Amino acid sequence: QSEVTQPPSVSGTPGQRVTISCSGSSSNIGSNTVNWYQQLPGAAPKLLIYKTNQRPSGVPDRLSGSKSGPSASLAISGLQSDDEADYYCAAWDDNLNAYVFGTGTKVTVL
Amino acid sequence: QITLEESGPALVKPTQTLTLTCTFSGFSLSATGVGLGWIRQPPGKALEWLALVYWDDDRRYRPSLRSRITVTRDTSNNQVMLTLTNMDPEDSGTYYCAHTSRTALWAFDIWGRGTGVTVSS
Repeated sequence: QSEVTQPPSVSGTPGQRVTISCSGSSSNIGSNTVNWYQQLPGAAPKLLIYKTNQRPSGVPDRLSGSKSGPSASLAISGLQSDDEADYYCAAWDDNLNAYVFGTGTKVTVL
Repeated sequence: QITLEESGPALVKPTQTLTLTCTFSGFSLSATGVGLGWIRQPPGKALEWLALVYWDDDRRYRPSLRSRITVTRDTSNNQVMLTLTNMDPEDSGTYYCAHTSRTALWAFDIWGRGTGVTVSS
């Protein structure tokens, strides 16, 4: 059902800045806020960004979210080995009347 | 402190009905602006949103599962049940419940650890 697509993988070296793209449509990202979740191996997802660019308490400011039209992105600066995880964007879809997750992106720290 | 814990059978047979329970603490599902969602993840695949129940008992379901899925609340016991009928091997995966609220614009901010379900004869 996913109406929101992400690159399968992104990689970078320690200290580098990487961005994860999230491509949706006018009915989801284009008209609603975006959330980002991090899933470490074997763990439950964790909310990283909500309302497109807000960080919950405890999430470092080297993670940032943005949106432009039907697309969003998550930037991770100062990449660390602890950042190796799967990342999912998500948004409400007004046409489907459903919450949609992106296809997920695996971040690898080289 | 908000906590959630999923429970239910680890193995169900095809065509059977799955019932999972999410037991939570640290918030009231009767409080205005609060919700609880169910999300699942097939092995090696992406997260899939399944359902959302709001404080006022309004519910939203994944369109492709609407004929098979029901979410019910037991506010006195701080539990939410997910029922999925006519189970198929493609329904196998880890099932999570998660807290959400209007404050977070319905992002899922606190998650349970998840419970694994395998559908097999």
